[in-house]
Amino acid sequence: EPEVTQTPSHQVTQMGQEVILRCVPISNHLYFYWYRQILGQKVEFLVSFYNNEISEKSEIFDDQFSVERPDGSNFTLKIRSTKLEDSAMYFCATDRGKEQYFGPGTRLTVT
Amino acid sequence: RKEVEQDPGPFNVPEGATVAFNCTYSNSASQSFFWYRQDCRKEPKLLMSVYSSGNEDGRFTAQLNRASQYISLLIRDSKLSDSATYLCVVRGHGSGNTGKLIFGQGTTLQVKP
Repeated sequence: EPEVTQTPSHQVTQMGQEVILRCVPISNHLYFYWYRQILGQKVEFLVSFYNNEISEKSEIFDDQFSVERPDGSNFTLKIRSTKLEDSAMYFCATDRGKEQYFGPGTRLTVT
Repeated sequence: RKEVEQDPGPFNVPEGATVAFNCTYSNSASQSFFWYRQDCRKEPKLLMSVYSSGNEDGRFTAQLNRASQYISLLIRDSKLSDSATYLCVVRGHGSGNTGKLIFGQGTTLQVKP
């Protein structure tokens, strides 16, 4: 069964550093999303991406965040200058228009 | 008011019990509804979509009441492996719907031997 993959599984970084989280979507899916989940809290939408552009972003997704799909396969989330409060699980999700499937997540720890 | 509201629990039930979870959503324009399951520190996994007519998948039954903006999940004959957090999820409301999912806080189920 095809699945969404994410790398790395765990990233530790110092405050102020840039991080790039990577996702490989299911091959025939067209819509891509990033969500985050702070420990003990609910899953929150960050951004949706379709046809090589952002289609919607949340208030959380400020100028420090960016997404791209540079090579037609990897879908990346970049955080330019990490803050302590960026520590969370980051999930990539993809779909073909209805049910979304999630990757295993990247645990980001900012120290 | 929260967009998707669930009783966080925990629900502690013995094996074989029937347990029901409820959820309410605030935006009447929401278009699609789902239950996801999340194990500790893992990704949400789709359990089932929820349809207005009600739908069943084995021991799991989901119901949607659009008039009351209410979604339910019934689990019959609980197994130890059902222990997890159950997430009520809605999708799509308003113009420019991009398919983002809106999650409830989740309801924790612990099935005991």
